[in-house]
Amino acid sequence: ETGVTQTPRHLVMGMTNKKSLKCEQHLGHNAMYWYKQSAKKPLELMFVYSLEERVENNSVPSRFSPECPNSSHLFLHLHTLQPEDSALYLCASSQDREGAVAGELFFGEGSRLTVL
Amino acid sequence: QKEVEQNSGPLSVPEGAIASLNCTYSDRGSQSFFWYRQYSGKSPELIMFIYSNGDKEDGRFTAQLNKASQYVSLLIRDSQPSDSATYLCAVNLISGGYNKLIFGAGTRLAVHP
Repeated sequence: ETGVTQTPRHLVMGMTNKKSLKCEQHLGHNAMYWYKQSAKKPLELMFVYSLEERVENNSVPSRFSPECPNSSHLFLHLHTLQPEDSALYLCASSQDREGAVAGELFFGEGSRLTVL
Repeated sequence: QKEVEQNSGPLSVPEGAIASLNCTYSDRGSQSFFWYRQYSGKSPELIMFIYSNGDKEDGRFTAQLNKASQYVSLLIRDSQPSDSATYLCAVNLISGGYNKLIFGAGTRLAVHP
């Protein structure tokens, strides 16, 4: 248990569906991240929120829309996805202030997405 | 050009041997370096970090950093079957006051009894 919870753990959706992934962290961290993990490829950084402000949008297609309503919650809204978007989506959090290990990410267990 | 490169493996070592995992990175602005371990079906977890050139030891693990060569390595002494996992190298490009971790694709380690 890392203190970062993701739901749902598995999601199957059609290309015309709209769904959302949810992430909640119980660690009091001030930064949250979405990463995409595909087989045999590096983790791809998608979005970074620091102090609830989006600070990184790594050329992600607009069919992925993040939302960070507060420092504990992060969402990834999905619409009109493509089969190549099937992957494991990992949420992470970190504490970005003095005394913390800069770059230590705490990951959730991930949401396995399959797009038909 | 890939930003963080690792040999995908699998790297197979016998129990009790030293496993050596290597990583190169392209951005000279990288400030800190990390090794994460990912068991099959699980999320990555941090096992080592290093900021300065040289060696850093923690139990059976030693991280080595050479910024001039843009090279990071992880040595696992007395390898155990429980060390079998994928090891992800990551570099932190601290940018605009926030952490931006870039990962390699990982090296799969298999420790056989």
